[in-house]
Amino acid sequence: DSGVTQTPKHLITATGQRVTLRCSPRSGDLSVYWYQQSLDQGLQFLIQYYNGEERAKGNILERFSAQQFPDLHSELNLSSLELGDSALYFCASTPVQGNTEAFFGQGTRLTVV
Amino acid sequence: GENVEQHPSTLSVQEGDSAVIKCTYSDSASNYFPWYKQELGKGPQLIIDIRSNVGEKKDQRIAVTLNKTAKHFSLHITETQPEDSAVYFCAASKGGTYKYIFGTGTRLKVLA
Repeated sequence: DSGVTQTPKHLITATGQRVTLRCSPRSGDLSVYWYQQSLDQGLQFLIQYYNGEERAKGNILERFSAQQFPDLHSELNLSSLELGDSALYFCASTPVQGNTEAFFGQGTRLTVV
Repeated sequence: GENVEQHPSTLSVQEGDSAVIKCTYSDSASNYFPWYKQELGKGPQLIIDIRSNVGEKKDQRIAVTLNKTAKHFSLHITETQPEDSAVYFCAASKGGTYKYIFGTGTRLKVLA
């Protein structure tokens, strides 16, 4: 158990809909990262937050957004969903320093039908 | 832009043999290189990492080597076991940012 909690574990929704994925980082970790993993693909970096502020952005679509709340949990919002958005979405967290081991959650498997 | 290339994409070895996975990074400022193992249905988990001030690091059957000049780093698994079967990802990051750039992954199969 990495200590990073992601909910829900599975999500099935229709095209055009909007969903919210939730991540609770390890206790004490201020930094949260979101990654997308499509079938047989690597981990594509989406966005990173540190103590409530956005710090780095990857190839995140405009239809996607994220935020980190004062209690440090983070949410990834995906809207106007398309079939191609079906993927595993992982959240990871690191301690204050960063540039060190990132602890990954179990992921949320999103299926868009 | 920042990029990490990883080879091979799939690797099959006999139990007891060694496995080597290679990565190349593009950003010469990268200074931290972790390796993650992802088992089916689970999130990636760190198995070993190396920093740029070290050329080699070993942990039991697993070792990582780094060649900063060539911007290459490699994962070596010796005496492979069936439970080593998984997808392995290399990654690179640099101080001052919190972004990890991952390779495309290597699916390792250890045949009993």
